[in-house]
Amino acid sequence: GQQVMQIPQYQHVQEGEDFTTYCNSSTTLSNIQWYKQRPGGHPVFLIQLVKSGEVKKQKRLTFQFGEAKKNSSLHITATQTTDVGTYFCAGPIKAAGNKLTFGGGTRVLVKP
Amino acid sequence: EAGVAQSPRYKIIEKRQSVAFWCNPISGHATLYWYQQILGQGPKLLIQFQNNGVVDDSQLPKDRFSAERLKGVDSTLKIQPAKLEDSAVYLCASSLIDATSSYNSPLHFGNGTRLTVT
Repeated sequence: GQQVMQIPQYQHVQEGEDFTTYCNSSTTLSNIQWYKQRPGGHPVFLIQLVKSGEVKKQKRLTFQFGEAKKNSSLHITATQTTDVGTYFCAGPIKAAGNKLTFGGGTRVLVKP
Repeated sequence: EAGVAQSPRYKIIEKRQSVAFWCNPISGHATLYWYQQILGQGPKLLIQFQNNGVVDDSQLPKDRFSAERLKGVDSTLKIQPAKLEDSAVYLCASSLIDATSSYNSPLHFGNGTRLTVT
């Protein structure tokens, strides 16, 4: 079964508000990637985090890699309707031969 | 650069029929992946190629699924015979660097093939 878990599964956000989605692994990860999939679209790479405690920003999106490299978070400020979609984290699971394993995703719906 | 090309975009078949999907990765990308994405779930890796060799096919249902990448460029994924539970989007992706290393190169996905088995 999947060893990368994401919470929450669904996120309903009022336009203009902030929210955070979380990604947790059962094992230490060498790196973690985040992807965004718009409704009806395909996953698109957003960012990769490699170092313990690393924080990276892309405009209103802030990505963080945990100190133990077992969890990550994505924080979106001032949510816009363009943020609608599913956000996936993915990490290489050693037990699976370093296969990039995707979490179940957080589906974000924005209320205007 | 041109993206990952996949065809067909949609396919509807009856159970027990066969179907094939085609993928052409980004030029120069040595690693090619086929993922299955069931509605509401994250992509699940079916098979991974490095050039024309199989790196991982541990989650490929080999009794009905097969895939090949004969010349190390484009690839086909076949299902024969299809079952109802095979209804999903089949995503092809490619990456630049050897994905068996602990450092994973970002994946570039195609638009996918949406398969409906009735």
